[in-house]
Amino acid sequence: EAGVAQSPRYKIIEKRQSVAFWCNPISGHATLYWYQQILGQGPKLLIQFQNNGVVDDSQLPKDRFSAERLKGVDSTLKIQPAKLEDSAVYLCASSSIRDDGNNSPLHFGNGTRLTVT
Amino acid sequence: AQRVTQPEKLLSVFKGAPVELKCNYSYSGSPELFWYVQYSRQRLQLLLRHISRESIKGFTADLNKGETSFHLKKPFAQEEDSAMYYCAPSPSGGSYIPTFGRGTSLIVHP
Repeated sequence: EAGVAQSPRYKIIEKRQSVAFWCNPISGHATLYWYQQILGQGPKLLIQFQNNGVVDDSQLPKDRFSAERLKGVDSTLKIQPAKLEDSAVYLCASSSIRDDGNNSPLHFGNGTRLTVT
Repeated sequence: AQRVTQPEKLLSVFKGAPVELKCNYSYSGSPELFWYVQYSRQRLQLLLRHISRESIKGFTADLNKGETSFHLKKPFAQEEDSAMYYCAPSPSGGSYIPTFGRGTSLIVHP
């Protein structure tokens, strides 16, 4: 099966500019996650979708970050305006729902490395 | 509050030595427990999960509910085991939202 696709791989912007990341999950995976990974730290969940609905966005800085998954397939994550502390790798992951109703483990994309100068 | 702790940022061993990567968690109920691994220039991927009770690439992980630990072990480390390892518990039942530890970098020297 094709893996989780993310673009771009790298992005450099100046603070206060805006940026968008795109993710295409594995076909058939109902659940999609966006994680932020700052250098030296583990991935931190920003938002989780199940189909086109939001399951958890409690750690998403909503004053500057937004995400959507309008048709329940691919997703975009936007930052506007960016701050220096947003420099990180942004990981997209997807998972399917098992017969017992729980999610299978995550499949990750390669990530987008964002540098804010 | 849900919390996962990986106390070692870096673990350096020689080939053939035993390896133990520690993970302690603080979760209500009985979480599902996973280890993920990221090899150099590869994407983050699942290594193993505790409900499978299987050995992957020679690694095993024992869940100790009393100590709330899920340490990852391998009796004889290989150079190709060098990678970042992340412990990731998730609440069981309902939505799967894993929380990742900060990771332990394992370096296996020849």
